[in-house]
Amino acid sequence: EAGVTQFPSHSVIEKGQTVTLRCDPISGHDNLYWYRRVMGKEIKFLLHFVKESKQDESGMPNNRFLAERTGGTYSTLKVQPAELEDSGVYFCASSQGVVAGGTYEQYFGPGTRLTVT
Amino acid sequence: QKEVEQDPGPLSVPEGAIVSLNCTYSNSAFQYFMWYRQYSRKGPELLMYTYSSGNKEDGRFTAQVDKSSKYISLFIRDSQPSDSATYLCAMKNFGNEKLTFGTGTRLTIIP
Repeated sequence: EAGVTQFPSHSVIEKGQTVTLRCDPISGHDNLYWYRRVMGKEIKFLLHFVKESKQDESGMPNNRFLAERTGGTYSTLKVQPAELEDSGVYFCASSQGVVAGGTYEQYFGPGTRLTVT
Repeated sequence: QKEVEQDPGPLSVPEGAIVSLNCTYSNSAFQYFMWYRQYSRKGPELLMYTYSSGNKEDGRFTAQVDKSSKYISLFIRDSQPSDSATYLCAMKNFGNEKLTFGTGTRLTIIP
């Protein structure tokens, strides 16, 4: 079974440009998450989709970030316009099913490394 | 103050040694405690999770949670070079799927 895939693996853009990151979750996973790790910092939560609905977007840093999940399948994260501080690794994760004890195991993709110059 | 504190290392130990990795946290609402392993250029992979306080063992790995001290640990016995990776602790509340991570500890096992 294929894992979580992300595209592109690496993107280099100039400040002010737009970038769109894509995530394909594991087939059948209704829950999809975006996280981000900036240099030297911890991985931080951005938002959580359940199917096509945003369940929790408390971690989105500002309105330059737009996440969508059309049809409840793949998701995109658009940054427009990009700023220098947006550089980092963007991880997508997906989950389905409740592990004993009442939580979901989140499976992470390899990440997209974004560099804004 | 960060919600989760983790020594970033790096930590280098000889093969066969026992490794101890730790995190402290400040949010008493955390109920689920995870350890993830991340190899270079890969995404985090769940190693173990524990609900509330107590110990959990899986092969060479043991996770411990002490909620009274807000302190969690991961022990690796008979460490192998293939254990070389970054180890991240992560935590979450009950009913909320948002994970809060530590910065990760980079571990190298020397053959």
